[in-house]
Amino acid sequence: NAGVTQTPKFQVLKTGQSMTLQCAQDMNHNSMYWYRQDPGMGLRLIYYSASEGTTDKGEVPNGYNVSRLNKREFSLRLESAAPSQTSVYFCASGTGSSYEQYFGPGTRLTVT
Amino acid sequence: AQSVTQPDIHITVSEGASLELRCNYSYGATPYLFWYVQSPGQGLQLLLKYFSGDTLVQGIKGFEAEFKRSQSSFNLRKPSVHWSDAAEYFCAVDTGRRALTFGSGTRLQVQP
Repeated sequence: NAGVTQTPKFQVLKTGQSMTLQCAQDMNHNSMYWYRQDPGMGLRLIYYSASEGTTDKGEVPNGYNVSRLNKREFSLRLESAAPSQTSVYFCASGTGSSYEQYFGPGTRLTVT
Repeated sequence: AQSVTQPDIHITVSEGASLELRCNYSYGATPYLFWYVQSPGQGLQLLLKYFSGDTLVQGIKGFEAEFKRSQSSFNLRKPSVHWSDAAEYFCAVDTGRRALTFGSGTRLQVQP
């Protein structure tokens, strides 16, 4: 089992460029999440998907869109990157019933 | 709104010494509580969780945490710290949407 995988591991974008962060899980979990981590602020929820076909905004959704492609995959898209989106992005998945979440290794994104 | 406070940004302990990391939460009901650990450049790993019942919970790697409702606290403890415990530790609360609210983290340094 790979658990939760994320691609890419690192990315540098120029302001205004777009990109999609990919996340996949092989644990048959219903729920998937996108967080961003900034120094001194812990992790903040961007979007989550409680089940295939549903998505909901989290604490900091502005500037992002998500797609729950199927049960395994949950992607995060930046349509027009801004320097304020420089961060480390973590994807997580969970069963929902146990409230546990399992995290991927993260994507370090720099926007110049 | 629910919130999680970790008052210590950085803690240094000697190897073999005991450890206590503080966590306080603000939430209207009895929350689900978690401690996660993040090693440098890695994702987050669940150490332990509290849902209900016995207020002292055991986790992996020799960690334990005690839920104190009267103090709205969920402090993490370890009797004897090892050099490999150096990492960042995050307390988190379930918000009822099966998404987590994280504290800002405590970075643990272990001196030989």
